[in-house]
Amino acid sequence: AQSVTQLDSQVPVFEEAPVELRCNYSSSVSVYLFWYVQYPNQGLQLLLKYLSGSTLVKGINGSEAEFNKSQTSFHLRKPSVHISDTAEYFCAVRISNDYKLSFGAGTTVTVRA
Amino acid sequence: GAVVSQHPSRVICKSGTSVKIECRSLDFQATTMFWYRQFPKQSLMLMATSNEGSKATYEQGVEKDKFLINHASLTLSTLTVTSAHPEDSSFYICSARGKEGVWEKLFFGSGTQLSVL
Repeated sequence: AQSVTQLDSQVPVFEEAPVELRCNYSSSVSVYLFWYVQYPNQGLQLLLKYLSGSTLVKGINGSEAEFNKSQTSFHLRKPSVHISDTAEYFCAVRISNDYKLSFGAGTTVTVRA
Repeated sequence: GAVVSQHPSRVICKSGTSVKIECRSLDFQATTMFWYRQFPKQSLMLMATSNEGSKATYEQGVEKDKFLINHASLTLSTLTVTSAHPEDSSFYICSARGKEGVWEKLFFGSGTQLSVL
């Protein structure tokens, strides 16, 4: 079975500062990796995903994540955050032939002016 | 892009009553839908997987008689919480497997906050 660990439960950050959200996974087989964002009172939106190929993937809001197989990590980074980036961020993993996702516990990002 | 509509967004009910939550894929056919449960400050936990026209597959520890799932059509799945109790209070989210262009993707509903008094 797969599992995901998000190392930071809460990350406060000032506007225009960079942020990194850490995600580590464990699996005995190859996996696909995802970052989702959940804004207050909304469902999940896919930020970015790694399926194969380049280990550096770009997200829809200027974020990026790098797949590191040796460290079993998929950390999310954004060089400059905005107030509107305040949300819950979830790292998730699934195996290639199964659409069931295993989620991490989430990281709450709070951006302050 | 593809849209999944989940209704209601919020429901409050009395203990012992049943609550139905609907999940619709609005512009695509969803052969598979997933139901998740999220407790405050915790991750989403998969409850069950439903395939159109067949019985749902429940994850270990999820009571199938308590959480009834029906996936009668390619665009609608429902989750009924039967005889709800306060411990069933949670945020429930559905996701649907569908195609966007040539790619298969998962699309999430906006969730239902259930409060059982």
